[in-house]
Amino acid sequence: GDSVTQMEGPVTLSEEAFLTINCTYTATGYPSLFWYVQYPGEGLQLLLKATKADDKGSNKGFEATYRKETTSFHLEKGSVQVSDSAVYFCALRASGGSYIPTFGRGTSLIVHP
Amino acid sequence: NAGVTQTPKFRILKIGQSMTLQCTQDMNHNYMYWYRQDPGMGLKLIYYSVGAGITDKGEVPNGYNVSRSTTEDFPLRLELAAPSQTSVYFCASILRQGRSDTQYFGPGTRLTVL
Repeated sequence: GDSVTQMEGPVTLSEEAFLTINCTYTATGYPSLFWYVQYPGEGLQLLLKATKADDKGSNKGFEATYRKETTSFHLEKGSVQVSDSAVYFCALRASGGSYIPTFGRGTSLIVHP
Repeated sequence: NAGVTQTPKFRILKIGQSMTLQCTQDMNHNYMYWYRQDPGMGLKLIYYSVGAGITDKGEVPNGYNVSRSTTEDFPLRLELAAPSQTSVYFCASILRQGRSDTQYFGPGTRLTVL
């Protein structure tokens, strides 16, 4: 079945550091890929998405590129801020069939001043 | 639009009690979902619905029931609450339309069973 694997956290960085959170997936066909962010005490909200190979999703300084050849969708940001501290979830939705997204376990990011 | 709303925000139950978690969306979304999130863990799908009158089990349905009598509402019923059901519950919805569909989440209900 479909699966999403994320790097384990917590990831702890100093403000203005470079961020990478790895995400790889297993799915048949051409899934849509998503990154969601969950701030403390809140629900998940979409951060960015990509629907086909080589697409780059971007939002709020975050980027992720859909790499079909490596089945990856790594999240990056050039300079993190304290306000980026949150849990980040990688997810996929398989092409065709059900609309049941598959989520990774989440990666906690802690940014220190 | 209010998006996806959930009530209550917090609740403490005693073992064996029952309750209903409410979820409403005003975006005319056809798909709705219930997830639970345990501390430090990802999301586990409890039930989902593809439209009014249609529901199906997810990964962890035992101890829960749902109904979908309208497009807007998707309540989750807990019967005979157990400590293992202590969790944060999220409702979500999607408008099935094309490939770049986004899931919208409610703010969550934090449930403690003692």
